[in-house]
Amino acid sequence: DQQVKQNSPSLSVQEGRISILNCDYTNSMFDYFLWYKKYPAEGPTFLISISSIKDKNEDGRFTVFLNKSAKHLSLHIVPSQPGDSAVYFCAASANSGAGSYQLTFGKGTKLSVIP
Amino acid sequence: DVKVTQSSRYLVKRTGEKVFLECVQDMDHENMFWYRQDPGLGLRLIYFSYDVKMKEKGDIPEGYSVSREKKERFSLILESASTNQTSMYLCASYRFPGYTFGSGTRLTVV
Repeated sequence: DQQVKQNSPSLSVQEGRISILNCDYTNSMFDYFLWYKKYPAEGPTFLISISSIKDKNEDGRFTVFLNKSAKHLSLHIVPSQPGDSAVYFCAASANSGAGSYQLTFGKGTKLSVIP
Repeated sequence: DVKVTQSSRYLVKRTGEKVFLECVQDMDHENMFWYRQDPGLGLRLIYFSYDVKMKEKGDIPEGYSVSREKKERFSLILESASTNQTSMYLCASYRFPGYTFGSGTRLTVV
């Protein structure tokens, strides 16, 4: 059973416009959320994160919004650039407090920014 | 910055071979992970370790084993490689708030 869902496998956006990537989760114990970006033949790189005590976090062109009541988060990229074309993974964590730590990932959304 | 190094970027192995994928991190992190990435399936956890000589099965451990003899090194072992293990393998190390990944190893089993 998928606890983190990215329902859009792909998304195409014109350069300069806004990209909105969505993520839903089912586990109410998740208290931290992250977005990773992955280019082909490379490992994922951390992009931005948000704690469950916040509803928004911004870093340059990237903003993550969290709606806890809806168990939904989104990543906004404004303005989109061709170099943003990559696969974006949503991830969530629940601090188990047992000495181990694990992220649960969505299946990813492939973003294509068209020049 | 934390560095996670995977020993090979590309590997081609034959069916039935024993394959070792090596991963080293340089920040004394306790938690390390092995994932595989396949199109449409996302990142799937194979094994993880939260201390030396400790290991835990992830979601898809069948056909794999791991070794963690030293804190900085976490090895993934394919006991007898099969074609369905052709994939991108990703090692990660944890520091709050998330993982640092290695560059990945693209393994092809022929």
